[in-house]
Order: sequence, then C-alpha cells, then structure tokens
Amino acid sequence: DAGVTQSPTHLIKTRGQQVTLRCSPKSGHDTVSWYQQALGQGPQFIFQYYEEEERQRGNFPDRFSGHQFPNYSSELNVNALLLGDSALYLCASSFSSGRTGYTEAFFGQGTRLTVV
Amino acid sequence: DQQVKQNSPSLSVQEGRISILNCDYTNSMFDYFLWYKKYPAEGPTFLISISSIKDKNEDGRFTVFLNKSAKHLSLHIVPSQPGDSAVYFCAATRRGSTLGRLYFGRGTQLTVWP
Repeated sequence: DAGVTQSPTHLIKTRGQQVTLRCSPKSGHDTVSWYQQALGQGPQFIFQYYEEEERQRGNFPDRFSGHQFPNYSSELNVNALLLGDSALYLCASSFSSGRTGYTEAFFGQGTRLTVV
Repeated sequence: DQQVKQNSPSLSVQEGRISILNCDYTNSMFDYFLWYKKYPAEGPTFLISISSIKDKNEDGRFTVFLNKSAKHLSLHIVPSQPGDSAVYFCAATRRGSTLGRLYFGRGTQLTVWP
C-alpha cells in the first residue's frame, strides 16, 4: 500500500517565478492538507482540501493556492516566489468521517523548495 | 503566535535510559494531542496520540502523559535506543472543529548515544 507520495522531492526556483507541487494521498484517504516547514521550525498549516474544495486555511497569503482532483490528489501552487518561501513543503492525508471526524494524518516525504 | 511550544531544541540520552520530551500548549480548546517523529529527508511519522479525556497512553516503549491543568504533555521513551535518534514534534488539534488541522511545536532533536 503506497503511502503519501509527493513530487518533486527537490526544486530550485528563481524569485518571482511560480511553482506547482504535487501530492497523492494514501489509499483510502480523501482529505489533503499542506504544511510549510521552514528551517528550525515546526510545520505550519497552509490549507486543507476535502471534496475538491478548500475547507480551511492558515495564515498564508493568496500567492499560495491549491487544488484537489476527483481522485483526491492535490496540487499546491505558489506564485511570485520570495526568498522566504524556501522551505520543506509537506503534504498530509487523512480520512474525514463526515464533516467533523478524521483519522490521524500521514505525511509524505516533502518537497524541498529553494528560491534563489 | 506559537500555540504549541517545545522549549528544548535538543536532548541527549544514553542508550537504555529514559528519554523525556516535553511540550506545552496555550489553547485550552485543544482536545487531541499527537507526537510525530521525523528523520532527515523523510516526512513526519505518527508515533502516539492522546485524547484530552485521558491522562496517559502507552504503546510499547512510548508513553504520553497529559496534564490538562498545566497544559503540558510529555513523551517518555523507555528504554531509549540509537534508532530513536530523530526530531520529535508535538502537535495539537481540536477534533470537533478544526477538522484535523495540526498545530506543531518547533521540535526537539533527540540523540541517543551508545
């Protein structure tokens, strides 16, 4: 059973560019959350997708956007990249039981984004 | 505003001894707490959790203790093994309302030496 898979594993972009990161959830999971982990920090919640809609959002600017597809996979897009966007981006999947329950989140290995 | 705090960035323990990792939180609405372990170049791996209706949960060598009045939890690893060397993140959530959004601490680097 494949766990959460993310691509690419590493990425180098230039300031001002746009980037798309991808995530395939664990089999049986329907909810995808994205986190940003800066160096020396814990993961910070960006947003969560369920039923192809953004269900909640953390304190991140509109430059960060996402999408969830019918097969539950997800993309994270970041526009107008800043040096401060350099971080490890983690995707986590879980199963939502109704609108309030959920299972523990499983994380992918992350995408290391470097903005130069 | 850091709602989950891990004030010790690192901990060094001899193999066979107990490792105690601490975590504090400020939001009294949190009702579920988790510990994740992270190795370099890997994503966080779920380790153990505890609901706010309990004060202790055990899973093999790992035990988590919750003190709600102090808004404090701790992870005990007994006995510690070199393979336990990793970064440990404490996380908290409100199961009924935040739909699984996790609030993480900054992590504690545990080193277990032979």
